Amino acid sequence: ETGVTQSPTHLIKTRGQQVTLRCSSQSGHNTVSWYQQALGQGPQFIFQYYREEENGRGNFPPRFSGLQFPNYSSELNVNALELDDSALYLCASSLVATSNPNNEQFFGPGTRLTVL
Amino acid sequence: KQEVTQIPAALSVPEGENLVLNCSFTDSAIYNLQWFRQDPGKGLTSLLLIQSSQREQTSGRLNASLDKSSGRSTLYIAASQPGDSATYLCAVVYSGAGSYQLTFGKGTKLSVIP
Repeated sequence: ETGVTQSPTHLIKTRGQQVTLRCSSQSGHNTVSWYQQALGQGPQFIFQYYREEENGRGNFPPRFSGLQFPNYSSELNVNALELDDSALYLCASSLVATSNPNNEQFFGPGTRLTVL
Repeated sequence: KQEVTQIPAALSVPEGENLVLNCSFTDSAIYNLQWFRQDPGKGLTSLLLIQSSQREQTSGRLNASLDKSSGRSTLYIAASQPGDSATYLCAVVYSGAGSYQLTFGKGTKLSVIP
């Protein structure tokens, strides 16, 4: 069973640029959530995708957008990068189903984004 | 709005000690609570998940308890080892969120001294 993977591992961008981060969910999972973790803070929820539809969004501006594909992998896109976007971006996958009340979320290793 | 608080923010103990990490949350209408471990610059490793109907879960030297009515959870680590040094995060999924999103505390940074 393959766990959650993310790419790239590290990324350096300049202010105003656009970035795409990728996540492959764990086999058998249908839901992907994205989180932003600033240094010294707990992760903050960005949004969640369930069966290719956005299923909840945190307090992030519209320049943060995403996609989920038929194989349940996902992308996070950030436009017009700002310095404060520098953070560790975490992807988590889970199985949302009535047969699975646990809904345990499993995280990938993260993508470290630095905006200069 | 759900708020999760973890106390203490940092903890340093000698190897072999038993220790308790605390987590509190303001909205008791939760589906579950998860404890995670995070090594520096890395992703999160799930340690234990407690459903809202459960009181505790155990895995090896770890025991997590949940008191939903008082909005509290504790993570007990027995016979601590230097390899336990990491940041421990608790997070809840609650019904008011509208989706199965995790709301995290800021974590407790644990250092186990050999």
